[in-house]
Formats: sequence, C-alpha cells, structure tokens
Amino acid sequence: EPEVTQTPSHQVTQMGQEVILRCVPISNHLYFYWYRQILGQKVEFLVSFYNNEISEKSEIFDDQFSVERPDGSNFTLKIRSTKLEDSAMYFCASSLRPSGETQYFGPGTRLLVL
Amino acid sequence: DAKTTQPPSMDCAEGRAANLPCNHSTISGNEYVYWYRQIHSQGPQYIIHGLKNNETNEMASLIITEDRKSSTLILPHATLRDTAVYYCIVRVTALAPSYGKLTFGQGTILTVHP
Repeated sequence: EPEVTQTPSHQVTQMGQEVILRCVPISNHLYFYWYRQILGQKVEFLVSFYNNEISEKSEIFDDQFSVERPDGSNFTLKIRSTKLEDSAMYFCASSLRPSGETQYFGPGTRLLVL
Repeated sequence: DAKTTQPPSMDCAEGRAANLPCNHSTISGNEYVYWYRQIHSQGPQYIIHGLKNNETNEMASLIITEDRKSSTLILPHATLRDTAVYYCIVRVTALAPSYGKLTFGQGTILTVHP
C-alpha cells in the first residue's frame, strides 16, 4: 500500500537555526498538508498546499515557516529561525482531493529545539 | 466546521466491541463525519467516514443517527493494538482546496485491556 514518508525521523537543532523537514507524499496525490503536535497536545493544522501554492494556512504558520514542492515528488517545510516552542512532532499528509477523501499521514519528524 | 464532543477516555476488554460516541449537534447538511486514530504519537490513521448512511469497512463500522447529531464508531473485536486516541472530526464536503484541513480535538483515549 502506498504511504507518505518523512525524513528525518528525529532532528535536534539549536535555537535560531534553520531546519528543513522533508516529506514524500503518495505519488498521485495533489493536495499536501503539514500539521504539528506539541507533546501532550492535540494535532494542529499548519498549512495546505495545492497547485504549487498555499491554499490555506493557520495562525501558527507565520513568516518563519515556508513550504515548497521543489521537484514534483518532495514536499518540504522550512523553519527559518527555530524557537524553543517549535519543538514538536511534525506530520505531513496528502490526499487525492481536498474533501470527502482520506488524508494519509506520514510517521512524523520529531523536532527538538535546544 | 461543526464542533464535536467526545468522552476523554474509555476502556474495553480485548475481543469485545468498542463503541466510541461522538456528539456533533451543530452539524450541517454538507458536512461529513470522519474518524481517525493516533497510536502513541504515530501519524494519525484514517478509519472511516460517512455523511448520513451507516458505513462499514475492514476496520470499523460507523453508525450515524437519523438526525445526524451524533455518531458511534464501532470496533467489533477490539485488540490490544487498537489502544489509541480516537478522533471524531466533522468536515465540509467541497472541492475548494481551502476545505482540506482536518481540525483535531482532544479525542477519546481508548484503552483495550486483556
């Protein structure tokens, strides 16, 4: 069964450093998402992406965040200058259509900012 | 999207049916009910969804009341591996990319015990 993959599985970084989280969505999917989950809290939507542009973003997704689909297979989330409060699990998801359709999630990247 | 209410936790004996309730009294006619689960900080996993008819797949059954104000997810023969957080999510059906996001609540922690 096709699956969403994410790399790295764990990342430790120093505050103020840039990080790039990578995702390979399911190959025929057209809609891509990033979510995050701070330890012990609920899963929160960050951003959705379709047709090479952001279709929706949450209040969390400020100017420090950006997304890109650089080569038609990868989907990346960049955090320009990490803060302590960015420590969380980051999940990528993809779907064939935006609604009435299953979203498939990756296993996540655990980001720790020191 | 309509708000959902779920019990914070439930227990179930292995081999028995697990019935997880969800209240969505403000649901609109164009909103689906989705169920996802998250096993120990893994990526959320799709279980089932429905609009107004009862649905069944290889994982579970979804029973939606006639007035659509509540639903029940049924795991017919729960196993220890079904221990997870179960999320009931109501989402608009539409094809616009901005309708793709999933809004997670706190969910129900289901513990299946031997």
